[in-house]
Amino acid sequence: QKEVEQDPGPLSVPEGAIVSLNCTYSNSAFQYFMWYRQYSRKGPELLMYTYSSGNKEDGRFTAQVDKSSKYISLFIRDSQPSDSATYLCAMSEIGSTLTFGKGTMLLVSP
Amino acid sequence: DVKVTQSSRYLVKRTGEKVFLECVQDMDHENMFWYRQDPGLGLRLIYFSYDVKMKEKGDIPEGYSVSREKKERFSLILESASTNQTSMYLCASTPGPGRGEQYFGPGTRLTVT
Repeated sequence: QKEVEQDPGPLSVPEGAIVSLNCTYSNSAFQYFMWYRQYSRKGPELLMYTYSSGNKEDGRFTAQVDKSSKYISLFIRDSQPSDSATYLCAMSEIGSTLTFGKGTMLLVSP
Repeated sequence: DVKVTQSSRYLVKRTGEKVFLECVQDMDHENMFWYRQDPGLGLRLIYFSYDVKMKEKGDIPEGYSVSREKKERFSLILESASTNQTSMYLCASTPGPGRGEQYFGPGTRLTVT
């Protein structure tokens, strides 16, 4: 079983839709959880960063961590064509290196 | 804003050449990382450094070495480039102990012919 699982997509939605992106993991020691957005041929950009469980909101983006289910989510409200990118989840134990999902490609059509 | 810069966006080298990829961060971050990213394989950690002159092997260090002579600069060296090292190389940095988030540079697309 892979340590972090993420559906590769592509996930295609119309503009204005609510998008849900998810990752599951197996290591119960993970404490840091991140979401990155990566445009084609660019480096990943940190979108959301949470420590331990709970929700975090930043504008149109909401990150949720459910440690009991080993499941994290990123919600994008009122999606825009400029949100079209690959979204990577990442997580780590305290003091350890990051483990990344392989990314979900999101396509938002006008 | 955190800024991580990489010396080249695109690089073409011949098999057997020695290749230097440089990364500089301007936020006094303690930790720096080198990854490669390949389709279907995701991000894989090559080397990382927690301090000047310190280095740790990641998941795929074979064929690579690193140098960290100054806190802000972390170099990746391909001693003798091979075609299977054609990839996107990404540098990242993180503030230090107790901080998990990493900030990435724009990447270097290396092609070895």
